[in-house]
Amino acid sequence: EVQLVESGGGLVQPGESLRLSCAASGFPFQYSWMDWVRQAPGKGLEWVANINQDGSEKYFLGSVKGRFTISRDNAKNSLYLQINNLRAEDTAIYYCAWALNYWGQGTLLTVSA
Amino acid sequence: DIQMTQSPSSLSASVGDTVTITCRASQGIRSDLCWYQQRAGKAPKALIYAASKLQSWVPSRFSGSGFGTEFTLTISSLQPEDFATYYCLQYNYYPRTFGPGTKVEI
Repeated sequence: EVQLVESGGGLVQPGESLRLSCAASGFPFQYSWMDWVRQAPGKGLEWVANINQDGSEKYFLGSVKGRFTISRDNAKNSLYLQINNLRAEDTAIYYCAWALNYWGQGTLLTVSA
Repeated sequence: DIQMTQSPSSLSASVGDTVTITCRASQGIRSDLCWYQQRAGKAPKALIYAASKLQSWVPSRFSGSGFGTEFTLTISSLQPEDFATYYCLQYNYYPRTFGPGTKVEI
């Protein structure tokens, strides 16, 4: 059974940094592209970033380039999203997804003073 | 960036109805389009990929079609569990872009 479990969200202050994690199981993680997608409260879905199998290719939404970093640890079957200089507009549920077919339940990040 | 639009933004329907949702891309994306269903408070669930191919867990009352810039999602014989918000996503270009969603209400 495919499982994707996000963690690391919470309440943080503007300007701080945070790393979100996604623990994957039930599929060949090391051979898979992985994505992060977010959803602000009451809003639609927004693709954020993805990474290829060995981490050598990464793509980002234009508005997050420079502040967001995506990475993975294939030995731990884990995906990460590092977010620096957090802004109120980063408040959202962050989902990780395998090939955009299987999704986790998401982790809520709230940026507020 | 590729802009995705959906119509209608919401619709009201009854159990047993057939509904069609349209998704349009600002430029051609071949068949590189997915559809997702999101029930209230839940994660999105993939329904269709490559414009018309059903995910293995999706009932056959769902169907997709289209190529290039215009795509449709059709739900035949609407069931109570189908009342949700539906999103399209293009994956031909970066950044990937979603449509704004169509809410299907009772």
